[in-house]
Amino acid sequence: GENVEQHPSTLSVQEGDSAVIKCTYSDSASNYFPWYKQELGKRPQLIIDIRSNVGEKKDQRIAVTLNKTAKHFSLHITETQPEDSAVYFCAASIKDSGYALNFGKGTSLLVTP
Amino acid sequence: GAVVSQHPSRVICKSGTSVKIECRSLDFQATTMFWYRQFPKQSLMLMATSNEGSKATYEQGVEKDKFLINHASLTLSTLTVTSAHPEDSSFYICSTSDPRRTDTQYFGPGTRLTVL
Repeated sequence: GENVEQHPSTLSVQEGDSAVIKCTYSDSASNYFPWYKQELGKRPQLIIDIRSNVGEKKDQRIAVTLNKTAKHFSLHITETQPEDSAVYFCAASIKDSGYALNFGKGTSLLVTP
Repeated sequence: GAVVSQHPSRVICKSGTSVKIECRSLDFQATTMFWYRQFPKQSLMLMATSNEGSKATYEQGVEKDKFLINHASLTLSTLTVTSAHPEDSSFYICSTSDPRRTDTQYFGPGTRLTVL
């Protein structure tokens, strides 16, 4: 089945710096790659997603890149703010599973003022 | 955006009892819903795929007789944890996708189950 690896598990940056989280996946049939931000006790919130026909997507301070050949995708957050502190999950959907999601293990991001 | 609701948001029960969790799609008809489980400080793990009008598909390692799923209508799927034990304590989250854009998932707010 699909396996999604996510690194790092924890990341601490100073306010204003950039944060990068990387994920790899194993199933070449995966074609949808969302990133979620989850605060304690809350549902995952979609922050950005990318589909396999696109290599890069940007939304203000957040960007995602996808390398289908290497089967990896990354989340980039620029000009980080303390409110960006949360757990971030990457995921890959698998068409044959009805677009269920396989999640990475998560990255706990801490932005210090 | 699409709205998915879950009920209850929090439940505490005694060991051996059964708990039913409801997941409703409020904005569109959902032929497929997904159930995930998240243990503390861990990731979301897919438990099963709920299909309207047919049997659910369970992921490896998930006991279908313990986690009963019913998807009797296009807007409601239920997960019943039967004979709950403390190790079933977890955060249960459902999701569904808009038929017009099947890959984007919309998550419910989750149900925190604590089994004493």
